[in-house]
Amino acid sequence: EAGVVQSPRYKIIEKKQPVAFWCNPISGHNTLYWYLQNLGQGPELLIRYENEEAVDDSQLPKDRFSAERLKGVDSTLKIQPAELGDSAVYLCASSFGTTVTDTQYFGPGTRLTVL
Amino acid sequence: GESVGLHLPTLSVQEGDNSIINCAYSNSASDYFIWYKQESGKGPQFIIDIRSNMDKRQGQRVTVLLNKTVKHLSLQIAATQPGDSAVYFCAENIRHKLIFGTGTRLQVFP
Repeated sequence: EAGVVQSPRYKIIEKKQPVAFWCNPISGHNTLYWYLQNLGQGPELLIRYENEEAVDDSQLPKDRFSAERLKGVDSTLKIQPAELGDSAVYLCASSFGTTVTDTQYFGPGTRLTVL
Repeated sequence: GESVGLHLPTLSVQEGDNSIINCAYSNSASDYFIWYKQESGKGPQFIIDIRSNMDKRQGQRVTVLLNKTVKHLSLQIAATQPGDSAVYFCAENIRHKLIFGTGTRLQVFP
């Protein structure tokens, strides 16, 4: 079974430029998560989708970050414009259901460097 | 490879020894806990979980202990192998949101 797929794996941009990350969850997983991981820290949730609906986006900085999951499968996370402090690893995860005990499976992440 | 964390607490063990990684959590209302392993350049990988109505749960070579009185969680790895080298995170699930603790880097030397 294929795991969570993310692309690109690495991205280097200059500040004020836009950037987008793509995630394909595990087949059949209805719940999708985007996390941000700063160096030396654990991941922090940005947004959670149940099918196409963003059910928790309270941690998403909406002035510059946006996300979509139009058909309830793939998802994109966008930053526009990027700032130096956005340099981090962006992780996508998915789970089959929505219960507390549904295991979240993580992708390899996209490492963003903003110059 | 990519370094997950440069200044994480580090536990160094000899191959074959047992490892114990500790974690303190803050929310007394948390009822579900998970341990993740993160290797360099990869996303976190599920290891084992435990619900708050349990004190102990065992998997293959791993055991998780939960002490709700002092809000403490530990991960025990038996017969630690070089492939166990990674950063380990505990996480508590609060209303579908995983709150990760500070990771611990496990280094296994021959």
